[in-house]
Amino acid sequence: KAGVTQTPRYLIKTRGQQVTLSCSPISGHRSVSWYQQTPGQGLQFLFEYFSETQRNKGNFPGRFSGRQFSNSRSEMNVSTLELGDSALYLCASSLVAFATTYNEQFFGPGTRLTVL
Amino acid sequence: EDKVVQSPLSLVVHEGDTVTLNCSYEVTNFRSLLWYKQEKKAPTFLFMLTSSGIEKKSGRLTSILDKKELFSILNITATQTGDSAIYLCAVSLKTSYDKVIFGPGTSLSVIP
Repeated sequence: KAGVTQTPRYLIKTRGQQVTLSCSPISGHRSVSWYQQTPGQGLQFLFEYFSETQRNKGNFPGRFSGRQFSNSRSEMNVSTLELGDSALYLCASSLVAFATTYNEQFFGPGTRLTVL
Repeated sequence: EDKVVQSPLSLVVHEGDTVTLNCSYEVTNFRSLLWYKQEKKAPTFLFMLTSSGIEKKSGRLTSILDKKELFSILNITATQTGDSAIYLCAVSLKTSYDKVIFGPGTSLSVIP
């Protein structure tokens, strides 16, 4: 069974630009969660999508948005990039909505975003 | 403000030692506590704990939650070099918008 895939793996952008990251969950999984990981802030939860609806979200500004398609693939968009957005962005998939029932999350390899 | 604290932040032990990692939290609307292991790649889910006093076990790893005292421990017995990783504790909250808060992690190094 293929794992969670994320594209691209590495990305370099400049301030003010926007970026779209993609995540394909494990086949059959309907929940996709997004996380930002930086050395200073650690791992922080961005949001979770389940059945094309945003179910949960963390404390990030509106520049961070996402969506989920009918095939459960998810995209995350960051507009007006700032230097502080440089981070590893991880997505994780689970069978059903995460954090509401006991179920395991599987993480993808991440997208390393560098903002210059 | 909701927060998750882990201790120690880093730890070096010898193979065969037993280690205990600590996670304490101050949050409103607690739902569950989660443990992850992160090596050079993405985190790997270890346990989800929702009830006090119930031990979760997976091989040499054991975790328990105390909802009264607001902490959890992750115990690793007979450590191996492959246990070297960052161990992350997270708490999920049930609010109008559920969210997950991570602790800073404990960096464990197991030396031969």
